[in-house]
Amino acid sequence: NAGVTQTPKFQVLKTGQSMTLQCAQDMNHNSMYWYRQDPGMGLRLIYYSASEGTTDKGEVPNGYNVSRLNKREFSLRLESAAPSQTSVYFCASSEMGGGVGANVLTFGAGSRLTVL
Amino acid sequence: AQSVTQPDIHITVSEGASLELRCNYSYGATPYLFWYVQSPGQGLQLLLKYFSGDTLVQGIKGFEAEFKRSQSSFNLRKPSVHWSDAAEYFCATFRAQKLVFGQGTRLTINP
Repeated sequence: NAGVTQTPKFQVLKTGQSMTLQCAQDMNHNSMYWYRQDPGMGLRLIYYSASEGTTDKGEVPNGYNVSRLNKREFSLRLESAAPSQTSVYFCASSEMGGGVGANVLTFGAGSRLTVL
Repeated sequence: AQSVTQPDIHITVSEGASLELRCNYSYGATPYLFWYVQSPGQGLQLLLKYFSGDTLVQGIKGFEAEFKRSQSSFNLRKPSVHWSDAAEYFCATFRAQKLVFGQGTRLTINP
């Protein structure tokens, strides 16, 4: 059981280039999330998808777009990368929708992005 | 709005010593509180969670946390740390259906 899989694990971009981070989960979870992690800032939510077909902005959505392709997949796109987007990106999923265990997030291993 | 604060950015303890990592939460009706651990180069793993009921919560790897409403705290404890506990620890809570994290506490273990 793979859990949450993110690709790529590492990426170097030049300013202005675009790229898409892919995320897939095999736990039949309803909700999916994209976070970025920066030193001293903890994890900040970029976008989330409470259920298939819906997406909402989080705390730091500027410069990003997302697509909830189906229940399994949730991609994060940088249309024109900037050095400020250098970070480690984490995808996560949760069952949500009810039950005390439903709110637990399962995280992917992370994608380290460097923008030069 | 519900949020969490971790006052300590970095803590160093000796192997075998006891550990307490602090987490303070802002007022909320019934806070859902979590502790996650991130080992170097890894994703986050859930240590324990508190939703309701018994205020002392047991987690994995010998960790426990106690919910204290009077102090707005959810501190993480371990009686005796091991070198493998060196990691970054995050307290988190749910706010408007989204998981919100504290800034994290980096734990270093001295041999």
